[in-house]
Parts: sequence; C-alpha cells; structure tokens
Amino acid sequence: AQSVSQHNHHVILSEAASLELGCNYSYGGTVNLFWYVQYPGQHLQLLLKYFSGDPLVKGIKGFEAEFIKSKFSFNLRKPSVQWSDTAEYFCASRGDTGRRALTFGSGTRLQVQP
Amino acid sequence: DAMVIQNPRYQVTQFGKPVTLSCSQTLNHNVMYWYQQKSSQAPKLLFHYYDKDFNNEADTPDNFQSRRPNTSFCFLDIRSPGLGDAAMYLCATSIWTGTTDTQYFGPGTRLTVL
Repeated sequence: AQSVSQHNHHVILSEAASLELGCNYSYGGTVNLFWYVQYPGQHLQLLLKYFSGDPLVKGIKGFEAEFIKSKFSFNLRKPSVQWSDTAEYFCASRGDTGRRALTFGSGTRLQVQP
Repeated sequence: DAMVIQNPRYQVTQFGKPVTLSCSQTLNHNVMYWYQQKSSQAPKLLFHYYDKDFNNEADTPDNFQSRRPNTSFCFLDIRSPGLGDAAMYLCATSIWTGTTDTQYFGPGTRLTVL
C-alpha cells in the first residue's frame, strides 16, 4: 500500500522566517503529488501539484515544492511566511496504479507568530 | 461561483439513528469522492463515484453507503452511526482524465454522535 509521511507534526515560526515542510511518499513508479492547505475553519484548498516536467513547482501564495525522485520527497517551501499562513498542510500522492484514490499524509500544523 | 457545497455544515445525531449528508457541485465534474477525517488525522477515502460507477474502498464499513442520483449531487448515508463515526466528512470532486485528476474539496460536514 502507498503511504505518505509528514514528519513535522507541528511547526512554529515567526513572521518572515523561511519554511520547509517535509513530505516523503512510498510509491516507486510514476506519481502525482499534491499539497493542500486547510486554514482554520475552512475547506482543503489546493496549493500546488506535480504531474510531470519541471520538478520545481510553483503554487499559490508564494509557495513552491520540489520533486526529488531519488529521495521520494516533495517538500513544500516558502521563503518568508506570514501570520496568515497559519494553517494545516497536507501532502498527498497518487501512483500510476489506475486507482483514483489519493493517499494523504497526516498533516503538519503550522503556527506563525506575529 | 462554481463550487462544492456540503449540507449541513454541522450534524448532530443519536447513536444508531440514520443520518444523510449531502454534497452538490456546480463544476460538472464526473467524479465525486467522500472522505472521512478524524481529529488530527489525514482524510481517509470511503468511496467515490466515477459517473454512475460506484467504487468502494475495501476497508469502508458496510454502515456507510452512498447515492449519486445525478451528476450534481452525491449523498453519504450512515445507517447506524456509532460513537466512532464522529468526524468531519469531506466531499471532493474532479474531472478524471483517464490517468489523473485534481480534487476540489467542499467545506465538510462535522458529524457529532450522541
């Protein structure tokens, strides 16, 4: 079975600090990768996705992620966080098995202090 | 605005009393998903519809059923809710291209079981 690991469960940063959230997936074949964000009291929103091509993916709100196949990683980055980035972040993957199901990581709660 | 709508946002039911959660979409997407998300955990796929084709996850309890009467609507029926079924239920929709999709989530229904 596929799995997604997010090792940082809770991250606390000050405004303007740089952010990197880890995501590792287990599937060895072709993979689609996603980062979703869930702001307090709101629904899951897509931040960015990787299907193929340039391994450095840019998303909304200044976020980017880099797909490193050799490390089975898809880490999320932002050079300078804002208080409004306080949210829960979920990494998800889908392998080329024909199944439509996404496998989600357990999430990272980011708290940005003003 | 095109969107995924879930009703109600909060549902309280009694132990063993059947409950139905609703999801509608104006995106004309051909796939509709139901996820269960318990506190501090990753969303877990229960089942999904690809057009009229129902796809159940192997570990989804029989207590959970779904109906999709038309493209726009999908329902989650919990026949006899137990205390362990208290969770956030998320609906998502997508266009399946044949090999991949991007899922768009509704705001969720928070179910409380008394």
